[in-house]
Amino acid sequence: LAKTTQPISMDSYEGQEVNITCSHNNIATNDYITWYQQFPSQGPRFIIQGYKTKVTNEVASLFIPADRKSSTLSLPRVSLSDTAVYYCLVAAYNQGGKLIFGQGTELSVKP
Amino acid sequence: DTAVSQTPKYLVTQMGNDKSIKCEQNLGHDTMYWYKQDSKKFLKIMFSYNNKELIINETVPNRFSPKSPDKAHLNLHINSLELGDSAVYFCASSQERGQPYRGDYGYTFGSGTRLTVV
Repeated sequence: LAKTTQPISMDSYEGQEVNITCSHNNIATNDYITWYQQFPSQGPRFIIQGYKTKVTNEVASLFIPADRKSSTLSLPRVSLSDTAVYYCLVAAYNQGGKLIFGQGTELSVKP
Repeated sequence: DTAVSQTPKYLVTQMGNDKSIKCEQNLGHDTMYWYKQDSKKFLKIMFSYNNKELIINETVPNRFSPKSPDKAHLNLHINSLELGDSAVYFCASSQERGQPYRGDYGYTFGSGTRLTVV
């Protein structure tokens, strides 16, 4: 099973772009890279997923290099409400739908 | 309408007691899960049910027993509660299990039940 490594915490200011990088050296061919966001007192929420190159949605962008051993979640112009824990997951699709969470990155956005 | 709802939201109980947490989803999903989040924020799967059938049972003490009366409900019963059981328990559901290239399966989590054992 692929293991993920990401920074424990990051600080940012409102209006800045935030990039959170995740390492997953043992990613398998069939694995997708998925990012979840968790606010205090709430369950994790899916924000973006990709397989390779770049994916963009209304919330974030996900950059994946050709070797897929890492990925970077990019949050444009963060606001205070983006303060949350961000989890990088390599979806274990052959594990019956089980999600394997790492330690996550605690993002703190300051005014 | 809440997609995945858990009750109670908070539960404080004494060691040795037996308690249950209930979960219901109105998304029409086939698979439901229980996850445990400890004080260090690590989220780990405990159980998974697909159409009332147990498909994932991680290394969890026998004191924890899931029950799925139908595919929209998955309850968690805990016997003889211990201090170490204190955590936040999350219920989740998803559309399908084990399908490659499916995306996020529509994975949806509830808002959690904070269990405190004293």
